[in-house]
Amino acid sequence: DAQMTQSPSSLSASVGDRVTITCRATQNINNNLAWFQQKPGKAPKSLIYAASILQSGVPSRFSGSGSGTHFTLTISSLQPEDFATYYCQQYNNYPLTFGGGTKVEIK
Amino acid sequence: EVQLLESGGGLVQPGGSLRLSCAASEFTFSSYAMSWVRQTPGKDLEWVSTISSSGTSTYYADSVKGRFTISRDNSKNTLSLQMNSLRAEDTAIYYCAKEKKAGTTLDYWGQGTLVTVSS
Repeated sequence: DAQMTQSPSSLSASVGDRVTITCRATQNINNNLAWFQQKPGKAPKSLIYAASILQSGVPSRFSGSGSGTHFTLTISSLQPEDFATYYCQQYNNYPLTFGGGTKVEIK
Repeated sequence: EVQLLESGGGLVQPGGSLRLSCAASEFTFSSYAMSWVRQTPGKDLEWVSTISSSGTSTYYADSVKGRFTISRDNSKNTLSLQMNSLRAEDTAIYYCAKEKKAGTTLDYWGQGTLVTVSS
């Protein structure tokens, strides 16, 4: 099974900051990686798939990169509505697996 | 806009059973694989099960294999999860989710239904 590890587990940032979250897989997952955003009391929302493709309607300040075992999610200029928890997920093989999440909090 | 509405959650004793349903609308349900994903009280997301668009192929997490059964009724646009022999560690919010296309990401999620396994 591909285990997914995110870092950091939490971070504090200010509006306008550039934020980068890392996700590492224990085996090669090619580019079969997705990123989700979750706000309190809500379901996860799909942001990015195939490591770097933005879902329709997702602001361009979000970007994803990586392939193989190392991936990043970058928010180029953090906005108030971006404070949330972010999860990566691999869909290269069953079982589908998620990272532990990164909580982005207001500094 | 895609709509996914889960129901059937509740409080159940260890060893008991529960059946979750997910009503889908605003997309061609029979064309997409569907999944169940749960979120534990500690906020971890865990994939539970996936069923192909036709229903002929199913996949399960080891933790639920032999206890849970995923199914779908394409005539009623409904996804189901039959959960038997429930354990305390099955306590979670259960989400149904639609695959963007076969073997890819989950692009739409329902609002979730809470399952609590406790005596």
